[in-house]
Amino acid sequence: DAKTTQPPSMDCAEGRAANLPCNHSTISGNEYVYWYRQIHSQGPQYIIHGLKNNETNEMASLIITEDRKSSTLILPHATLRDTAVYYCIVRVAPYTGTASKLTFGTGTRLQVTL
Amino acid sequence: DGGITQSPKYLFRKEGQNVTLSCEQNLNHDAMYWYRQDPGQGLRLIYYSQIVNDFQKGDIAEGYSVSREKKESFPLTVTSAQKNPTAFYLCASSMWPGGHTEAFFGQGTRLTVV
Repeated sequence: DAKTTQPPSMDCAEGRAANLPCNHSTISGNEYVYWYRQIHSQGPQYIIHGLKNNETNEMASLIITEDRKSSTLILPHATLRDTAVYYCIVRVAPYTGTASKLTFGTGTRLQVTL
Repeated sequence: DGGITQSPKYLFRKEGQNVTLSCEQNLNHDAMYWYRQDPGQGLRLIYYSQIVNDFQKGDIAEGYSVSREKKESFPLTVTSAQKNPTAFYLCASSMWPGGHTEAFFGQGTRLTVV
């Protein structure tokens, strides 16, 4: 699975959009981008995933560059409850028949403030 | 409710003893995973299993063992060979193969070896 690079920490004011970047310059054609977050001392929670098109759900939006070498997770109106560590992961599509590992890096610690 | 359950939440053991952490899921997921998390660090993959009676080593399998006798259960044994077993252990499950459903995580077991 391709390696990802994220900034170790970011701050965001409550009510503002939080834009979390992720670099995955070695991503290959059959790898998807996934985002999870982990609130302190809990299990990680899935947020969103995508291949090459931008994606949006009730939690966030995912913007993937045309060359797929980087992506941005957008929380449109951050709240204090969004304070967490956010992990960007690239993962081989499960149905390739190869082992479907899910490998986490160190993530970005997002602090939402009043 | 469907979900993934880890027990116990906190576990204390004496050095040199083997200890088994429980992970049960009722989501009918094929794949299950074990991760270790140290303070301020990301998740590291210990073992994963795609189907019953089959499992693969992750990035840090030394000193750990697993079994997958039932689809619902994936227990992890931390053996005395694991040199630094004190950590937060997370279990996850996901559908495999096919589709891109997310991985669901348990709430973790915090193991302390004294």
